[in-house]
Amino acid sequence: GAVVSQHPSWVICKSGTSVKIECRSLDFQATTMFWYRQFPKQSLMLMATSNEGSKATYEQGVEKDKFLINHASLTLSTLTVTSAHPEDSSFYICSAGGGSQADTQYFGPGTRLTVL
Amino acid sequence: QKEVEQDPGPLSVPEGAIVSLNCTYSNSAFQYFMWYRQYSRKGPELLMYTYSSGNKEDGRFTAQVDKSSKYISLFIRDSQPSDSATYLCAMILNTGFQKLVFGTGTRLLVSP
Repeated sequence: GAVVSQHPSWVICKSGTSVKIECRSLDFQATTMFWYRQFPKQSLMLMATSNEGSKATYEQGVEKDKFLINHASLTLSTLTVTSAHPEDSSFYICSAGGGSQADTQYFGPGTRLTVL
Repeated sequence: QKEVEQDPGPLSVPEGAIVSLNCTYSNSAFQYFMWYRQYSRKGPELLMYTYSSGNKEDGRFTAQVDKSSKYISLFIRDSQPSDSATYLCAMILNTGFQKLVFGTGTRLLVSP
């Protein structure tokens, strides 16, 4: 299967700071990347869909000015959590479309964000 | 009513048992079905991908789709402690990186 990486794997930050999370497709070109967040013992919640070279499409209820998404190349998308607050603490996971099965998504290992 | 229903479990079985995991869905327009395995604090890993009614087998895993009943299953034969994880069903309407709709996930515990 296709490989997707995320960096960092975990991050702790102070309230009010911004945090950037990177998502990379290592062995295929991903025209579309997705960003999810997951709370403990819950399923994944889609935050936004990111297409290379265009603006991200955000799901209802997700603040686009708080969760900035950039998909500047076919192998890299970034999610920036701006002015983070404790309620933003969560597990953030990206996925990328492409690879050997063009109709499905491959997930990164996730980034655990803790805002103090 | 959620679009995709999945029993959250936990489902506890002894090593070697056959495991049956299920999801039902309400939208008959779903065409593509996936099963992901997620270990604690890790991203989901794609296990099976199917797009037609019937069975698809891959090693110890069998995915079954019944579109007439809007019901999908994942069977795990000869279950191992390493299979202990959360299993998520997911589906999309059609091709082209459409939004995945997930079930809540079923937590499976396989005891030695």
